[in-house]
Amino acid sequence: EVQLLESGGGLVQPGGSLRLSCAASGFTFSDFAMSWVRQAPGKGLEWVSAISGSGRSTYYGDSVRGRFTIYRDNSKNTVDLQMNSLRPGDTAVYYCAGRRDGNDYWGQGTLVTVSS
Amino acid sequence: SYELTQPSSVSVSPGQTARITCSGDVLAKKYARWFQQKPGQVPILLIYKDTERPSGIPERFSGSSSGTTVTLTISGAQVDDEADYYCYSAADTYRVFGGGTKLTVL
Repeated sequence: EVQLLESGGGLVQPGGSLRLSCAASGFTFSDFAMSWVRQAPGKGLEWVSAISGSGRSTYYGDSVRGRFTIYRDNSKNTVDLQMNSLRPGDTAVYYCAGRRDGNDYWGQGTLVTVSS
Repeated sequence: SYELTQPSSVSVSPGQTARITCSGDVLAKKYARWFQQKPGQVPILLIYKDTERPSGIPERFSGSSSGTTVTLTISGAQVDDEADYYCYSAADTYRVFGGGTKLTVL
């Protein structure tokens, strides 16, 4: 059974940092590009960041470039998102997603709230 | 960066055909995906590579592409198809979702 389990969300003050982690199982992790996608309360999906299967290529959305960093460890089947200089506008449910052609897997999401 | 534009809402009666469009320059060169998201649930992939349907997705969901526009067609829409629908594309160093379309079936 495919599973993606996010952790690390919570309440953080503006300007603070948080590291999200996603543990994958049930599929060949290194064959899949992995992404983080967020959804602010009552809003649509926003792509945040992606990393290739090998980890050699990383990509970021304009709103997070320079503040967020994506990592993966194929030996542990994990993908992390280091979030620095957080802003209230970063408040959202953050989903971890794995993608390869017609195979598309999502975690249940972890809530990040940026507020003083 | 790129943008994908969708109508904010579409309404159909049960049994009718619903069509949701998604427009953007990137779609002339890159494939699109379509996702369905119901309230409180995780998005589900409906269509990939513009027209391909993953296993387990009903045949009433289909995708098409023409130039810079892709279309999700739901044939014989059901009340259970009420949801938000998002297009998505990946271009070189960038990925983008459309703003989403709320489908009402009543």
